Amino acid sequence: DAGVIQSPRHEVTEMGQEVTLRCKPISGHDYLFWYRQTMMRGLELLIYFNNNVPIDDSGMPEDRFSAKMPNASFSTLKIQPSEPRDSAVYFCASSPSRDRGYEQYFGPGTRLTVT
Amino acid sequence: EDQVTQSPEALRLQEGESSSLNCSYTVSGLRGLFWYRQDPGKGPEFLFTLYSAGEEKEKERLKATLTKKESFLHITAPKPEDSATYLCAVQAKKHSGYSTLTFGKGTMLLVSP
Repeated sequence: DAGVIQSPRHEVTEMGQEVTLRCKPISGHDYLFWYRQTMMRGLELLIYFNNNVPIDDSGMPEDRFSAKMPNASFSTLKIQPSEPRDSAVYFCASSPSRDRGYEQYFGPGTRLTVT
Repeated sequence: EDQVTQSPEALRLQEGESSSLNCSYTVSGLRGLFWYRQDPGKGPEFLFTLYSAGEEKEKERLKATLTKKESFLHITAPKPEDSATYLCAVQAKKHSGYSTLTFGKGTMLLVSP
């Protein structure tokens, strides 16, 4: 398996612009997670899905952030409008069903810079 | 609230100099403790899951151990390629539903030749 795929790998945008990050989880995994990583706060969970349904979005910082999972092989994280404080590395991770283990497998991340 | 504290924040070793990284945790019932390795510019890579006190797991030069309050990642005779940030995460037991992972901030390990 190719592992979790994320695109783009790097994104530089100006404040106020819309940003869309994309993720393809590992085939057969039931759970998908979006994380944000910064030096100050480490890895923070933003939202997670089970079988394409959003379960917990309490980590989403503001209404400017939204996430969707239209099918089992694709998810997006959108920031509109973007702000400089959104600059971070965003990771997508996937995990198999609970009876097959709880390990999460991470993608390579998208480094977002908002100027 | 679940908490994970990793120490030290950074560790510099000479090649071959064995040492241990610490992960202290507070959780209302542990389902699992996870160790990850993260290289610069990459996503965390899964290493081990430990489920109960006394459990040990090994992979090459790494051995992870677990007690009721902390986990150690022992690195035996490290090589420069072991240089990375090592992350620890805990997952609490829940009666129903999925329990998400709480991550520590990591220990940055640098092994010099």
